[in-house]
Amino acid sequence: SAVISQKPSRDICQRGTSLTIQCQVDSQVTMMFWYRQQPGQSLTLIATANQGSEATYESGFVIDKFPISRPNLTFSTLTVSNMSPEDSSIYLCSVEAQQAGELFFGEGSRLTVL
Amino acid sequence: GQQLNQSPQSMFIQEGEDVSMNCTSSSIFNTWLWYKQDPGEGPVLLIALYKAGELTSNGRLTAQFGITRKDSFLNISASIPSDVGIYFCAGQFWGSGTYKYIFGTGTRLKVLA
Repeated sequence: SAVISQKPSRDICQRGTSLTIQCQVDSQVTMMFWYRQQPGQSLTLIATANQGSEATYESGFVIDKFPISRPNLTFSTLTVSNMSPEDSSIYLCSVEAQQAGELFFGEGSRLTVL
Repeated sequence: GQQLNQSPQSMFIQEGEDVSMNCTSSSIFNTWLWYKQDPGEGPVLLIALYKAGELTSNGRLTAQFGITRKDSFLNISASIPSDVGIYFCAGQFWGSGTYKYIFGTGTRLKVLA
């Protein structure tokens, strides 16, 4: 498995501002993903964070709203831009372990937008 | 796109009872995973399944990868109060230039002591 640290763990933000969430992994991993979990809901894939190239976004998510960086094999950031109350969610970083087919998660970042 | 339908949506059971939940899709997946999520935490991997027909156990948990590769089930035997939480299935898909994990809708389990 991998140890995944996310910061911040929670934050309260004002409408119209942006927040960057950091994800640090204790080992080099190829595949990193960002998910959103709205209150009481399942996990929805936002994008795959590709090292050295632009992220691959799922339908309904765009780079202008959720810019992602992946500067190396152990670190990624997700920015939630121009936030509105509808962006209040838990944002989760996940990585695929050395063995493909095992996906591990950080503790998540709980964002509340007022 | 790929969707995973999980049932039941929620269940209340007595301590000591066995629990069964399943996940179905119209799409084929290469790997099936089962997770448990406690409040305020990220999902924790319980079991991973890699081959059609595979049956795998982890303590009181047993999961199977459906023969058609479009479904999976999770059984919990002799439930205890700490089994309470939300259980998610997830399917790993690759093809057409994409590689991703899709999650089911979740089963909320409550155990009555």
